[in-house]
Amino acid sequence: KAGVTQTPRYLIKTRGQQVTLSCSPISGHRSVSWYQQTPGQGLQFLFEYFSETQRNKGNFPGRFSGRQFSNSRSEMNVSTLELGDSALYLCASCYGTANTEAFFGQGTRLTVV
Amino acid sequence: GEDVEQSLFLSVREGDSSVINCTYTDSSSTYLYWYKQEPGAGLQLLTYIFSNMDMKQDQRLTVLLNKKDKHLSLRIADTQTGDSAIYFCAESRDSGGGADGLTFGKGTHLIIQP
Repeated sequence: KAGVTQTPRYLIKTRGQQVTLSCSPISGHRSVSWYQQTPGQGLQFLFEYFSETQRNKGNFPGRFSGRQFSNSRSEMNVSTLELGDSALYLCASCYGTANTEAFFGQGTRLTVV
Repeated sequence: GEDVEQSLFLSVREGDSSVINCTYTDSSSTYLYWYKQEPGAGLQLLTYIFSNMDMKQDQRLTVLLNKKDKHLSLRIADTQTGDSAIYFCAESRDSGGGADGLTFGKGTHLIIQP
C-alpha cells in the first residue's frame, strides 16, 4: 500500500510569508504527527492529530499550526516565516495514538530567504 | 541533559558488525525505536521494542534493551555499504492523554570502510 505522502517536496519562501504543507497518511491510519528537523536542534515534535483533533503539541510558537481533515489528511501552516524556520518538515502516520509504529514521509524541505 | 543521547559517529569495516548505542532518561518510555535516514530522505522505521522486552531480532538487526540502565543498542550484522546512513534512537511516552510525540536522539552517522 502507498506510504506517507508529503507535498511539496521542496519550497522556497521569503521572510514574513506564510506556508502550508500537506501530509497524506497511510490508508487506514488516523494519527498524523509533525516534526521539524534542523542541523542544530535535530528532530523536534510539533504536534499530533487524531480524528481531526490536536492531541498533543510540542514547544513551538503559535505561528506553527495544523489541522486534520475527515479523511485523515493533515496540513501544517507556518505564518510570518523567519529564517530559522528553514528545515525539513516530516510527517508521521500511525494507526493508533500511541506511536507504536510511526511511518514517516520523505519530508518537505522549506528554505526561508 | 538530553533526553536521548547517542554518539555522533561510528565507523566500521564492511562485513563487521555495527553496534549503535543509545541512552534515555525517561523511565516511563513505552516504546523505543530505531530509525534510519539516508541523505535527502525521510525516516525509515527499522525496528522498535516495547519497554517490557529485553531483546528483539529481525534478520540482520538485533535490538537489546537494558531497562535498569536505560540503555538501548542496535546491532547490525554483516554491515554493508548500503547501511551507511544516520541512525536515530527515539522513545515514545504515553502520558495517558495520548502520545507526547517521539523524542529523538541527535543521530549516529554510520560510516562504512571498505
